[in-house]
Amino acid sequence: GESVGLHLPTLSVQEGDNSIINCAYSNSASDYFIWYKQESGKGPQFIIDIRSNMDKRQGQRVTVLLNKTVKHLSLQIAATQPGDSAVHFCAENPPIQAGTALIFGKGTTLSVSS
Amino acid sequence: GAVVSQHPSRVICKSGTSVKIECRSLDFQATTMFWYRQFPKQSLMLMATSNEGSKATYEQGVEKDKFLINHASLTLSTLTVTSAHPEDSSFYICSAAAGRGRVSPQHFGDGTRLSIL
Repeated sequence: GESVGLHLPTLSVQEGDNSIINCAYSNSASDYFIWYKQESGKGPQFIIDIRSNMDKRQGQRVTVLLNKTVKHLSLQIAATQPGDSAVHFCAENPPIQAGTALIFGKGTTLSVSS
Repeated sequence: GAVVSQHPSRVICKSGTSVKIECRSLDFQATTMFWYRQFPKQSLMLMATSNEGSKATYEQGVEKDKFLINHASLTLSTLTVTSAHPEDSSFYICSAAAGRGRVSPQHFGDGTRLSIL
């Protein structure tokens, strides 16, 4: 089974609203997490990342929150735009072996209407 | 930013054909590249880790003789699906990490849609 899962498979919001996408991970040893978005027919696009020594990191319109106590990750998108419509994946990097292989969650489809 | 190019973007071929997919890091060197497979409406599943100059590391359940990986240079990895059958139809995506060390984001190609008739 997958070690990273998402609470909500779909999220529909109005343009301009704030969006929150949640993710639960199972490997407490994971020390690096990334949020990606994937548009139809394309590869995942990097949004933001966070290391386990942080609990919050902000980017442009996006914020990632990490709660290691409950192994929870969230992505907050401010003033959501139609261009944000995509499947959003969280991914974790457990330090099980050399290399940077990622374990992906199931994905949340974000749909933004004008 | 780091760019990963994947070619071809779409392949349609008959059962029994072998198909080669290329993954290139355009503006950085990647000692390690990764190959993923994605079925419709599902997440990415890691198939193998491609190491420059050495054998690839395959995930459990992935046949190494079926999915041949070659990483001959620091900017190119290839995945060959040998004797492809309809069940091999999928979206194949490669990625590479531009930074040094383990903690750096992977950058993805735009995938190859493989359809076996």
